[in-house]
Amino acid sequence: DAGVTQSPTHLIKTRGQQVTLRCSPISGHKSVSWYQQVLGQGPQFIFQYYEKEERGRGNFPDRFSARQFPNYSSELNVNALLLGDSALYLCASSRVGTVNQPQHFGDGTRLSIL
Amino acid sequence: DQQVKQNSPSLSVQEGRISILNCDYTNSMFDYFLWYKKYPAEGPTFLISISSIKDKNEDGRFTVFLNKSAKHLSLHIVPSQPGDSAVYFCAARVPLAGGTSYGKLTFGQGTILTVHP
Repeated sequence: DAGVTQSPTHLIKTRGQQVTLRCSPISGHKSVSWYQQVLGQGPQFIFQYYEKEERGRGNFPDRFSARQFPNYSSELNVNALLLGDSALYLCASSRVGTVNQPQHFGDGTRLSIL
Repeated sequence: DQQVKQNSPSLSVQEGRISILNCDYTNSMFDYFLWYKKYPAEGPTFLISISSIKDKNEDGRFTVFLNKSAKHLSLHIVPSQPGDSAVYFCAARVPLAGGTSYGKLTFGQGTILTVHP
């Protein structure tokens, strides 16, 4: 079975631009979460979605938004990019309906802001 | 406020010996704990997890121990192999609205494990 897939792999943007990152979950997984990882730190939670509804949001500004589609794939949008948004953006998917399911991660999108 | 801490940035172990990675947490609401391994240019790979109602879980060479009173989590790898060399993250979950199927993960800063042949 295919794992979590993210696109693009790498992206270079300039300050003030907008970016859209995409994620396809593992088949059968209905929940998708987004995390930001900066160098030397662990991933930080941004959003979790299930059944197209936002279930949780981390401490990120309103420039960050996301959505989930009927096929459970997801997009993360970041507006008005800042230099500090340079990071690895990770998507994770998990099953729901069963207690204590781990989140499985994709390989991420490396976003560089110039 | 760092709710999950891995106080050892790095650990070096000889092949065949035991590797012990440690993690401390502060939030009593955490109900599920996980360990992930990360190689460069890859996403974190799930290794093993433990519910807060247990104190030990084993899977092959990997064992996770949970001491709730001390708010301490550890991962034991026995025997260690050179292929285990990677960054290891512990993570803890706070359940979100909707039950224990959901939850945001809070990660530690990671420990770089190097296993020497």
